[in-house]
Amino acid sequence: GQNIDQPTEMTATEGAIVQINCTYQTSGFNGLFWYQQHAGEAPTFLSYNVLDGLEEKGRFSSFLSRSKGYSYLLLKELQMKDSASYLCAVRDETGTASKLTFGTGTRLQVTL
Amino acid sequence: DVKVTQSSRYLVKRTGEKVFLECVQDMDHENMFWYRQDPGLGLRLIYFSYDVKMKEKGDIPEGYSVSREKKERFSLILESASTNQTSMYLCASSFYEQYFGPGTRLTVT
Repeated sequence: GQNIDQPTEMTATEGAIVQINCTYQTSGFNGLFWYQQHAGEAPTFLSYNVLDGLEEKGRFSSFLSRSKGYSYLLLKELQMKDSASYLCAVRDETGTASKLTFGTGTRLQVTL
Repeated sequence: DVKVTQSSRYLVKRTGEKVFLECVQDMDHENMFWYRQDPGLGLRLIYFSYDVKMKEKGDIPEGYSVSREKKERFSLILESASTNQTSMYLCASSFYEQYFGPGTRLTVT
């Protein structure tokens, strides 16, 4: 099975940098995904890591350390529209259909 | 752009009713998923399907069944709705990353 932990809530200031951590313990691992979910909306895909290291995509970056069971999502130059929940999800190595197990999400509030 | 649509945004049903939630995707994805999302519990997988007529139980399949007769359509069925099935239901499809529909907020009274 999978166990995924991430902080419940975080607050940061517009223009700042915030790091959202995710730790996992899994029976199998085949990649880690980050999703963004605005209130009342569906999750949208942000990033994917399967190898150790940093993946950068504009203002967002995601890091993975497989040996430590650890990932983080880094958001730079925060904007008010970044206020949302951020979901960490691990892909099961053993399963079919790219099955994902999600953490409970981190609600980020960006303030002025 | 991938499009995943769900039949209703909001639904109110009575206890004991049979409920059908429909999901359609337009990207020819083989994999489709049904989740429910509850505060503090996150997204939990109910059922998924990796091909037409193929299905597998997720983490919380009790009280639910699914149907996949066509590749683009995946239905979630609540045989006899109960109040503890009040939730947000999200459908997703994928080749690799998952694309989600807008969700159906189901209230069972």
